[in-house]
Amino acid sequence: AQTVTQSQPEMSVQEAETVTLSCTYDTSESNYYLFWYKQPPSRQMILVIRQEAYKQQNATENRFSVNFQKAAKSFSLKISDSQLGDTAMYFCAFITKETSGSRLTFGEGTQLTVNP
Amino acid sequence: DTGVSQDPRHKITKRGQNVTFRCDPISEHNRLYWYRQTLGQGPEFLTYFQNEAQLEKSRLLSDRFSAERPKGSFSTLEIQRTEQGDSAMYLCASSQDGLAGVLTQYFGPGTRLTVL
Repeated sequence: AQTVTQSQPEMSVQEAETVTLSCTYDTSESNYYLFWYKQPPSRQMILVIRQEAYKQQNATENRFSVNFQKAAKSFSLKISDSQLGDTAMYFCAFITKETSGSRLTFGEGTQLTVNP
Repeated sequence: DTGVSQDPRHKITKRGQNVTFRCDPISEHNRLYWYRQTLGQGPEFLTYFQNEAQLEKSRLLSDRFSAERPKGSFSTLEIQRTEQGDSAMYLCASSQDGLAGVLTQYFGPGTRLTVL
């Protein structure tokens, strides 16, 4: 079975500080992609960042970066210079192409609150 | 706006009634997905289409659920004889096959269903 685990149901951070959200996953496949999605309150889910498993270099998108540890099956998200607009539920997800088609498998989510 | 759109955004119905939701994907995207999200959880895959072909269905998709994408453009998800357990957010996403291989899914705002 393919699973995603986010062990932090809730986290908070002060504005302008840095926070790291954890994610671990389990799959027997070698070709897959990892994603972080953000879902603000009552708003739609948007893509934050993605990582191809075959790439060793960690992805970055402005204030967002990942720490991808393939051997440990870990994919954490670091948010630098946190802003109030970063308050949202964050979902880690992955997708494979071989046996599960194109379905995304999501974690349970981490509710991040940025405090002023 | 050329993002994924869903209609209606909210639906309240009585148990036993039938409901139908519509999703319009990003215009050039050939793949379309349906997910269900209950409160405080990550989305769970229901089904997906490549063009007009329904290629995969989750075990979550009981006989009361049916999805169509007749012309490979918009899709509908129908729930017959609704039950209170069907209350959830129904999310639609779309993606485009590409040479890069990664199938990034872009989500719509969702349809929130409440079954009384």
